[in-house]
Amino acid sequence: GAVVSQHPSRVICKSGTSVKIECRSLDFQATTMFWYRQFPKQSLMLMATSNEGSKATYEQGVEKDKFLINHASLTLSTLTVTSAHPEDSSFYICSARDQGGGEKLFFGSGTQLSVL
Amino acid sequence: GENVEQHPSTLSVQEGDSAVIKCTYSDSASNYFPWYKQELGKGPQLIIDIRSNVGEKKDQRIAVTLNKTAKHFSLHITETQPEDSAVYFCAAYYGQNFVFGPGTRLSVLP
Repeated sequence: GAVVSQHPSRVICKSGTSVKIECRSLDFQATTMFWYRQFPKQSLMLMATSNEGSKATYEQGVEKDKFLINHASLTLSTLTVTSAHPEDSSFYICSARDQGGGEKLFFGSGTQLSVL
Repeated sequence: GENVEQHPSTLSVQEGDSAVIKCTYSDSASNYFPWYKQELGKGPQLIIDIRSNVGEKKDQRIAVTLNKTAKHFSLHITETQPEDSAVYFCAAYYGQNFVFGPGTRLSVLP
C-alpha cells in the first residue's frame, strides 16, 4: 500500500513555542491531505483539508491562525501549531489520498504533542 | 451530513473465534467504505475497503459485507489472533470527505 511519512513522532515543547509537523506521501502524489486530531480513546476529529497550491479548508471550531497548514507540493503538507498551550496537547495524524488511486486514504504514523 | 455509527464499542473474543463489527451510515450518497486498524500510539492502517457496487469482499481472514438498502456494513475477522487486538474504525466516503465511526476496541484473549 501507499506510504505516508509523518515526523516527528513525538514532540515535547514549552508553552508559547511553535511546533511544525511534516506529512509526506512517499510513493504517490496527493492533491489532498487531511489533518486530524485524536484524543485518548476517541475517534478521529477532522481539523482541516489541505489542497496543494491553495488555502486549507478548516472545520468549524478550528482556529486557522493557531493551526497553520501549508501544502506546497504534491507530496508535502505541514501543520504548525503556533503559540502552543497545554490544551493543544494531543495526537495529531495526517492522511493523504492517492491521486491515482481513487478514494483510498492512507494515514501517517501520528505525532504525539505534549505542551508543558 | 453523513453520520456513521459503530457497534460494539468494545469486543472481547477468545483466540481462534470470529469477531464482527457493524457500522451504519445515514446518507445513501456514500459510495466507499474503508476499515482501519489502529494500534496504540500509531496511525490508522487501511485493512480492507468496499465500494457500493459490491456486496462482499474478502482478504484472507478479513471480510467486509455491505447492505446498501439497509445502509450498513460489517467487518468480519475469522480465526482471531492476539495481534488482531487493536481499535478498528469504519468510515464512509461522503462528498469529498471521510466520516469515521467512533471505533471498536477489540481484545483477543489467548
